[in-house]
Amino acid sequence: QSALTQPPSASGSPGQSVTISCTGTSSDVGGWNYVSWHQQHPGKAPKLIIYEVSKRPSGVPDRFSGSKSGNTASLTVSGLQAEDEADYYCTSYAGSNTYVFGTGTKVTVL
Amino acid sequence: QVHLVQSGAEVKKPGASVKVSCKASGYTFSNYFIHWVRQAPGQGLEWMAMIGPGDGTTSYAQKFQGRVTMTSDTSPSTVYMELSSLTSEDRAVYYCARMGYGGAMDVWGQGTTVTVSS
Repeated sequence: QSALTQPPSASGSPGQSVTISCTGTSSDVGGWNYVSWHQQHPGKAPKLIIYEVSKRPSGVPDRFSGSKSGNTASLTVSGLQAEDEADYYCTSYAGSNTYVFGTGTKVTVL
Repeated sequence: QVHLVQSGAEVKKPGASVKVSCKASGYTFSNYFIHWVRQAPGQGLEWMAMIGPGDGTTSYAQKFQGRVTMTSDTSPSTVYMELSSLTSEDRAVYYCARMGYGGAMDVWGQGTTVTVSS
């Protein structure tokens, strides 16, 4: 299983939007609607922010949204805030009860 | 409130094994799979394996097949992950995470740091 491909970095000013892509194959991202996204601050455990492509867990602001087209999933953070500066990872079900993470994207709030 | 509490940091020699525990509380333990994920220093997250505490069903990433063993104990509600034949490449923080809807990891343990050093 190869890691899903994410851009190493993304940035935006407060109030702006940033979109992160997550590219896989038809065996993972494209084959299932089981893409999730995690936010990780330095030294902390990851936190789930999107599951099943576009659903938000309770307590996650609606500034976070997810989508998918073909083999690429995307996470959009709207109305960027200082606390959104973190690493973001996508994850996808990859068949046969296995999962694969993305390479991770560092989001910087300028 | 749902919690996963992991065992403390470990220091192991190359070639040894390490066993990390993950104690669950606040939900019906047997109803949810547990994922194991690791993160090497300065690197990304890597999915390793998962176990269904209810029936012991396991699944492994190809990379860890044969080197990872997972077990579960319903009393207390604890899952264990043992990684054998350690090398310096296994130096990482190891996390357990509960599998929620769509396989997503909805609750995470605090992480266990494993250092491999001679």
